[in-house]
Amino acid sequence: DQQVKQNSPSLSVQEGRISILNCDYTNSMFDYFLWYKKYPAEGPTFLISISSIKDKNEDGRFTVFLNKSAKHLSLHIVPSQPGDSAVYFCAASEGAGNMLTFGGGTRLMVKP
Amino acid sequence: DADVTQTPRNRITKTGKRIMLECSQTKGHDRMYWYRQDPGLGLRLIYYSFDVKDINKGEISDGYSVSRQAQAKFSLSLESAIPNQTALYFCAAAQGRGGTQYFGPGTRLTVL
Repeated sequence: DQQVKQNSPSLSVQEGRISILNCDYTNSMFDYFLWYKKYPAEGPTFLISISSIKDKNEDGRFTVFLNKSAKHLSLHIVPSQPGDSAVYFCAASEGAGNMLTFGGGTRLMVKP
Repeated sequence: DADVTQTPRNRITKTGKRIMLECSQTKGHDRMYWYRQDPGLGLRLIYYSFDVKDINKGEISDGYSVSRQAQAKFSLSLESAIPNQTALYFCAAAQGRGGTQYFGPGTRLTVL
């Protein structure tokens, strides 16, 4: 049973608009969450993280929101750019730096 | 960035063959990991190592073995490859307990 789920396998957004990628988790012991971005033929690269003591973390165009009661997190990209087109994975762990459990990924396509 | 490299980048082999995938990192990070990626399932942890003398099984270790030959090198072996081991394999490195995992470019393995 997947403990981290990304229910949307793909998302298409117009350039300049907001992209919202969602992730749900079931393990209440998870307290550290990350988003990775993956381009074809490359490994995942770290994008942004959030600890469970916060409900929001922002880094430039990227913001991650955490709703602990709903066991839900989301990544907002504003404004979306064609170069953001990639597969996005959310991941969770029990403590920062511990074993990561990944979601299945969401393919984001940003259309010019 | 941990400058993680993986060899080979692509490999096609036959059922029953022994295969070794190699991973090296240049930053001297102490922790190294092997994952496999399957469509829709995200990345799943096969093995991890916190230092040269510390090797641990991950979520899906059956059919795999590893060797940490040095701080910088972590190899994954398939003793007798089978078709359902066809996947994309990623190595990652991290420094210390709270360290972010940095991924290599991946090895695409096909078992016929």
